[in-house]
Amino acid sequence: DAGVIQSPRHEVTEMGQEVTLRCKPISGHDYLFWYRQTMMRGLELLIYFNNNVPIDDSGMPEDRFSAKMPNASFSTLKIQPSEPRDSAVYFCASSSYSPGSEQYFGPGTRLTVT
Amino acid sequence: DAKTTQPPSMDCAEGRAANLPCNHSTISGNEYVYWYRQIHSQGPQYIIHGLKNNETNEMASLIITEDRKSSTLILPHATLRDTAVYYCIVRVNRGSTLGRLYFGRGTQLTVWP
Repeated sequence: DAGVIQSPRHEVTEMGQEVTLRCKPISGHDYLFWYRQTMMRGLELLIYFNNNVPIDDSGMPEDRFSAKMPNASFSTLKIQPSEPRDSAVYFCASSSYSPGSEQYFGPGTRLTVT
Repeated sequence: DAKTTQPPSMDCAEGRAANLPCNHSTISGNEYVYWYRQIHSQGPQYIIHGLKNNETNEMASLIITEDRKSSTLILPHATLRDTAVYYCIVRVNRGSTLGRLYFGRGTQLTVWP
């Protein structure tokens, strides 16, 4: 398996623009997680899905952020409009359910908003 | 909020065992202890997890105290490639669904030659 795939790996955009990050989870995994990592706040969970349904979005910072999972093999995280404080590395992870199921992380998308 | 406490940094000589401590004094009976690590600029990587008993896999050993209030991750023969931030995480369960993982600041382990 290729692991969790994220695209793009790097994104540079100007303030006010829409940004879309993409994730393909590991085949057969039914949980998908979006994280954000910054120096100030560390690694934070933004939202997670189970069987394509959002379960917990309490970590989503504000209405500018939205996430979708239209099918089991694809998810997007959208920021509209983007702001400089959104600059961070965004990770996607997936897992399958079992009492001790581990999460597998993608390589991340480094977002810079100027 | 993270329910664990870890030292911010540690170092270890190459070839020696690295012992990384973690305190989780408020852990509940059905919560697992997980360890992940993050090598610079990469996504976090799962290492090991346990509930009550000590666990060992090809990467590391996990020793959990009998009262479950603390644990130690052991890398038996540390290499330079083990230099990373190590996160100790208590997994919160919420009903029958998979719970959130709270990553704290972790321990920066530096392995020196």
